Amino acid sequence: SAVISQKPSRDICQRGTSLTIQCQVDSQVTMMFWYRQQPGQSLTLIATANQGSEATYESGFVIDKFPISRPNLTFSTLTVSNMSPEDSSIYLCSVEDQSGADTQYFGPGTRLTVL
Amino acid sequence: QKEVEQDPGPLSVPEGAIVSLNCTYSNSAFQYFMWYRQYSRKGPELLMYTYSSGNKEDGRFTAQVDKSSKYISLFIRDSQPSDSATYLCAMRSSYIPTFGRGTSLIVHP
Repeated sequence: SAVISQKPSRDICQRGTSLTIQCQVDSQVTMMFWYRQQPGQSLTLIATANQGSEATYESGFVIDKFPISRPNLTFSTLTVSNMSPEDSSIYLCSVEDQSGADTQYFGPGTRLTVL
Repeated sequence: QKEVEQDPGPLSVPEGAIVSLNCTYSNSAFQYFMWYRQYSRKGPELLMYTYSSGNKEDGRFTAQVDKSSKYISLFIRDSQPSDSATYLCAMRSSYIPTFGRGTSLIVHP
């Protein structure tokens, strides 16, 4: 399984500011995924990031609000822009299993609180 | 109706009990079924993975899939306080899984 780290692990931010979350994987992966996990809710996919191409966003999420970078096969960033309290959530990075088991592994998450 | 339904709990059981966690789904195209365990302030950790109806066993954990009823279960035998966590079911037909809300399990000594 892949080992995934995220920075920061948590942050408290002011309304209107932006935060960039980093995701680092210990092996090369084709696809990386960004999820949001709000209290009491299921994991919601924000976007899929492939190296060398624009991220693909799910319904309800837009690039201006959640710009994503994928500069290489082991790293990605998600920025939460112009934050509001409704953006308070856990943000999770995930990668597909490269062994062909058709499943995903998750990072530890970034707990974001917006005041 | 949500594609995946999962009772959020909490489910509280004594140590040593057999735990049954369940999810129902509506999309008959789902072919791959997973269970994740998530400890507080941690990311989800893959527990079990299966793609066929029937049972799959791994130590104290058994995953059961009934595609005809669109129903999956995770059984935990001889539950331990260390099993206290949120358990999320997930299922997929394409490469993007759909997750349940998670069931909070508390195993008390």
